Amino acid sequence: NAGVTQTPKFRVLKTGQSMTLLCAQDMNHEYMYWYRQDPGMGLRLIHYSVGEGTTAKGEVPDGYNVSRLKKQNFLLGLESAAPSQTSVYFCASSYPSGWDVSYNEQFFGPGTRLTVL
Amino acid sequence: QQQVKQSPQSLIVQKGGIPIINCAYENTAFDYFPWYQQFPGKGPALLIAIRPDVSEKKEGRFTISFNKSAKQFSLHIMDSQPGDSATYFCAASRSYQKVTFGTGTKLQVIP
Repeated sequence: NAGVTQTPKFRVLKTGQSMTLLCAQDMNHEYMYWYRQDPGMGLRLIHYSVGEGTTAKGEVPDGYNVSRLKKQNFLLGLESAAPSQTSVYFCASSYPSGWDVSYNEQFFGPGTRLTVL
Repeated sequence: QQQVKQSPQSLIVQKGGIPIINCAYENTAFDYFPWYQQFPGKGPALLIAIRPDVSEKKEGRFTISFNKSAKQFSLHIMDSQPGDSATYFCAASRSYQKVTFGTGTKLQVIP
């Protein structure tokens, strides 16, 4: 199994450009998440999905949109990129597995490093 | 509003030392407290996790200590090795809801 994969690994955008980040998982997980990681800020949740066709806002959703048309894919879109969106973006997936200490373990992808000039 | 506060931001220890990373939470409804380990250029990965009905959990050289009344928990790494150099995130969640992460601690273990 590949686990969680992210495309692309690196990207440089100019202010105002748009792009879509693709996340794919082959673990049949129900839940998927998009985070951004910035120095000193930890991992901040942008949007998440608890199942195919459903999405919800996280902590920092402004400037981003998402779609979960297929269970295995979760797309993150930037309609008009801004320098403040320069960050490393991580996708994760999970499946609540009941009352044990591994429940809601999140499996992360390798990340996408985005620079907005 | 930061619901999980983590300290220190960075930590340097000698090989064999016992680094300790501390976290505090505010929401008493949290019932799952994981720690994630992240190596440079990689995504975080679950290291160890605990539920609030136990005060300590050990897995190899890694130990979580949990103090429910103080709403604090910590990670101890026994006999630390240079290979433990990474960023560590504490986190908390309630049942099947989304996980809230701390801000991370960058650990460097020097030979």
